[in-house]
Amino acid sequence: GQNIDQPTEMTATEGAIVQINCTYQTSGFNGLFWYQQHAGEAPTFLSYNVLDGLEEKGRFSSFLSRSKGYSYLLLKELQMKDSASYLCAGMDSNYQLIWGAGTKLIIKP
Amino acid sequence: IAGITQAPTSQILAAGRRMTLRCTQDMRHNAMYWYRQDLGLGLRLIHYSNTAGTTGKGEVPDGYSVSRANTDDFPLTLASAVPSQTSVYFCASSDSLAGPDTQYFGPGTRLTVL
Repeated sequence: GQNIDQPTEMTATEGAIVQINCTYQTSGFNGLFWYQQHAGEAPTFLSYNVLDGLEEKGRFSSFLSRSKGYSYLLLKELQMKDSASYLCAGMDSNYQLIWGAGTKLIIKP
Repeated sequence: IAGITQAPTSQILAAGRRMTLRCTQDMRHNAMYWYRQDLGLGLRLIHYSNTAGTTGKGEVPDGYSVSRANTDDFPLTLASAVPSQTSVYFCASSDSLAGPDTQYFGPGTRLTVL
């Protein structure tokens, strides 16, 4: 079966670094997406990885290991506005996204 | 402003009623999707369309139907609503016909079926 696992909730301090992990199991693999979703709003695209390694985009970085079925999203210099849910999604062989339930990130001052 | 619009923003519906959720995009994207999002669960695909005139079933299609008469519009219809269809519904679109491409989401419709 297809499955995406990520922690339900994480707490971090403003200015710190946090790593949100995601493990995936999909039928075929065409990449791993991360989206951000603020409460009551739509998901917005953060990153896409299809090759192993780290992709850096400002304060946000995303890592992929295809052999381990593992990805993480790294958020640096946390700001209060980073309080949101972070959704991990794997793209299967039919180019459909399989979504995790999301990780709610709480930032404390 | 380019993007995806959904209507209504929210709706309370009596069980057994018919309801159509509207979705329109102006990005000329080929593919469109309908998801539902429930607390504690990931987004689940209801139906999708890779191009105008074609549709396909997702993970949870029962009780829902869609049509894609043109590129811009992708309405979702609940023929006879049931309480288990209470959810937040998101429409999304992407440019690619069959390839890895970013999906862009509309603001969502919050539906309550009583």
